[in-house]
Amino acid sequence: EAQVTQNPRYLITVTGKKLTVTCSQNMNHEYMSWYRQDPGLGLRQIYYSMNVEVTDKGDVPEGYKVSRKEKRNFPLILESPSPNQTSLYFCASSPTLPPHYNEQFFGPGTRLTVL
Amino acid sequence: AQTVTQSQPEMSVQEAETVTLSCTYDTSESDYYLFWYKQPPSRQMILVIRQEAYKQQNATENRFSVNFQKAAKSFSLKISDSQLGDAAMYFCAYRSATEEKLTFGTGTRLTIIP
Repeated sequence: EAQVTQNPRYLITVTGKKLTVTCSQNMNHEYMSWYRQDPGLGLRQIYYSMNVEVTDKGDVPEGYKVSRKEKRNFPLILESPSPNQTSLYFCASSPTLPPHYNEQFFGPGTRLTVL
Repeated sequence: AQTVTQSQPEMSVQEAETVTLSCTYDTSESDYYLFWYKQPPSRQMILVIRQEAYKQQNATENRFSVNFQKAAKSFSLKISDSQLGDAAMYFCAYRSATEEKLTFGTGTRLTIIP
């Protein structure tokens, strides 16, 4: 089944404890992206990647890192999480790059709480 | 930078009735895409409908249709014959033709009254 998977789905952690949220897609998509969703703010892009070893900042990159060593994986790293990073995180992927259009596929979301 | 505005944080509609969710956006570009996403309690993001800016005809998907007013930069979603399964958060989103990033509105929570 074609899908985007994220792990873990739920995570409660403490301030300063490094964590990684994994994202994997089995559709050979070139484009991958991370969003965070907060009440009253909608979804905002954190980082994106156009291909292997090519990543760039989105609108809210502070406090996050990403890597794209393989086409299928795009982990989100919080080196020193803080309570303001408590949020719902979505990974998304798309098969092609602009200007061509293809639907973005979203993962199921990861609910992160930082105490 | 593009912005997307959803001015209705919450809406409710009687089952089987019609409801319209509003969305406005701001852009200086002429070529772009607009979307409505549905987020049910499962939190999954589900694409409901898409509109290409170069198309004058409004998109329709079964009970879902849009009213796209390019000059006014307005993109409303009409849900006909509302069903209990339509209860969800609905997000309007914008995508430039030159990048993959989606810019989302703040969402409208739709409640269906049985």
